[in-house]
Amino acid sequence: GAVVSQHPSWVICKSGTSVKIECRSLDFQATTMFWYRQFPKQSLMLMATSNEGSKATYEQGVEKDKFLINHASLTLSTLTVTSAHPEDSSFYICSAKLFTDTQYFGPGTRLTVL
Amino acid sequence: QKEVEQNSGPLSVPEGAIASLNCTYSDRVSQSFFWYRQYSGKSPELIMSIYSNGDKEDGRFTAQLNKASQYVSLLIRDSQPSDSATYLCAVGFSNDYKLSFGAGTTVTVRA
Repeated sequence: GAVVSQHPSWVICKSGTSVKIECRSLDFQATTMFWYRQFPKQSLMLMATSNEGSKATYEQGVEKDKFLINHASLTLSTLTVTSAHPEDSSFYICSAKLFTDTQYFGPGTRLTVL
Repeated sequence: QKEVEQNSGPLSVPEGAIASLNCTYSDRVSQSFFWYRQYSGKSPELIMSIYSNGDKEDGRFTAQLNKASQYVSLLIRDSQPSDSATYLCAVGFSNDYKLSFGAGTTVTVRA
């Protein structure tokens, strides 16, 4: 149980294009999902909290117009990186909350912007 | 600022030994505590959760929590080379379900 999937697992795009990453809870309903970013040799950095049916809550310093989050159903949240630039290259990981505050992570999406 | 600090690594232990990982947190109202394992290039996977003071054992892993000292630890008994990874301590706060992560401790188990 508590399986979270992400798609795609990796993506390479040109600077200026937009990239959409999907996060799905496969065997449970998740009213709350989280999006993290992780640079090499660094820990996880929370970007935003995604709540089903409402606007996402962004952490300080995260541009909400650049990182668009949509949580339209209880099993799917999407992160769109708009007008991506090389500095957005990173490992993006989603998690879904099950019961209290236990979070289960998806496998991650490695984004490379050329 | 809700801070979570882990003992600096890397930690190298011989196969079969006990690996001891420590974590301290700054916020006294913290309610939940987690240990995640992250292999290089992969996402974190949950190892243990602990909510009450004392010890919690799961296989070769034992989590210990002392809320008075704001301290949580993870022991890995009979360490195996497959335990070589970065271990992340995460602390939850009751009001918003967010987790604060430590920087991680990298463990290497020598065969």
